Amino acid sequence: DAGVIQSPRHEVTEMGQEVTLRCKPISGHDYLFWYRQTMMRGLELLIYFNNNVPIDDSGMPEDRFSAKMPNASFSTLKIQPSEPRDSAVYFCASSLPSDRGHSYEQYFGPGTRLTVT
Amino acid sequence: DQQVKQNSPSLSVQEGRISILNCDYTNSMFDYFLWYKKYPAEGPTFLISISSIKDKNEDGRFTVFLNKSAKHLSLHIVPSQPGDSAVYFCAASPSYKYIFGTGSRLKVLA
Repeated sequence: DAGVIQSPRHEVTEMGQEVTLRCKPISGHDYLFWYRQTMMRGLELLIYFNNNVPIDDSGMPEDRFSAKMPNASFSTLKIQPSEPRDSAVYFCASSLPSDRGHSYEQYFGPGTRLTVT
Repeated sequence: DQQVKQNSPSLSVQEGRISILNCDYTNSMFDYFLWYKKYPAEGPTFLISISSIKDKNEDGRFTVFLNKSAKHLSLHIVPSQPGDSAVYFCAASPSYKYIFGTGSRLKVLA
């Protein structure tokens, strides 16, 4: 398997523009997670899906952020309008469920480095 | 409010010596903990985990220790190798989501 695929790898945009980040999870994984990495806050969970349904979006910073998972093999994270403070690395991860009540290890994609000028 | 804290942002260790990375958490309901390693321009990769019913888990050169009363876990790498140079994140798992710390950068000197 190719692992979790994210695109684009780098995105530079101007403040006020719409940004769409894309993710293809590992086939067969039921859980999909979006994270944001910054120096100050480390890896923050933004939202996660189970079987394409959003389960917890409490980490989404504000209404400018939205995420969708139209099918099991594709998810998007959209920022509209973008602001300079959104500059960060955004990771997508996927995992299988676990009967322990916790997910198995999460497999991360390579990330998208977003720069908003 | 950081529920998972890694208070040492960086650490340098000589090759062959022990590396110890520390992590503290605030919520006593957390019952599963993990360490991830991250190289530049790559996503984090799973390293080792521990359930709260244990106080130690070992995998080769990597050992994770859990002190529930102190709400503290640590990762020991023995012996350290230059390829271990990376950023290490600890995470706590309440159910299906992870709460990550801010990371600690380990540099192993040859």
